[in-house]
Amino acid sequence: AQSVTQPDIHITVSEGASLELRCNYSYGATPYLFWYVQSPGQGLQLLLKYFSGDTLVQGIKGFEAEFKRSQSSFNLRKPSVHWSDAAEYFCAVAPFTGGGNKLTFGTGTQLKVEL
Amino acid sequence: NAGVTQTPKFQVLKTGQSMTLQCAQDMNHNSMYWYRQDPGMGLRLIYYSASEGTTDKGEVPNGYNVSRLNKREFSLRLESAAPSQTSVYFCASSYDRGNQPQHFGDGTRLSIL
Repeated sequence: AQSVTQPDIHITVSEGASLELRCNYSYGATPYLFWYVQSPGQGLQLLLKYFSGDTLVQGIKGFEAEFKRSQSSFNLRKPSVHWSDAAEYFCAVAPFTGGGNKLTFGTGTQLKVEL
Repeated sequence: NAGVTQTPKFQVLKTGQSMTLQCAQDMNHNSMYWYRQDPGMGLRLIYYSASEGTTDKGEVPNGYNVSRLNKREFSLRLESAAPSQTSVYFCASSYDRGNQPQHFGDGTRLSIL
């Protein structure tokens, strides 16, 4: 069975600092990979996705993520964090073949931004 | 552009009561999903529907039933609510291939006393 690990439950960064949120997955093949963001009281919004090709993908709000097959990782990065980035971030995977579009989510990383 | 609409947004129930959570999407998606979100556990799939007329169990289906009423609507029913079902419930929809992202509603916050 596939699984997703987000090892950092909480992260605090200063506004303007760089950010990296970690995500590791366990799956028999390369799955489809997603990052979602959830603001308080809201649903989840897609930040970016990886299917194939270039291993560095760009998303909305200045975020990017790098797929590393050898490390089974899909870490999310942002060069300069803004106070409005404070939210919870979820990494998710979907199977490449079969299983339709069922997502498996990590447990999330709560980001706090200090002014 | 409404996207995925969930009703109600908040609800308090007593143990043993029943309730149906409603979800509708206007994006012509084939697939729809119900998740629950609990602190420290991320989102867990309760049920999903790959297409109109079909439903399948997810990771945590016990205590729930679903109905795919038509292509737009997918409801989640708690027949006899239990305190363990206190959670935030999210509905989502997508096209039916694995590389298609899911679109989420804003959630229903359900408390069972």
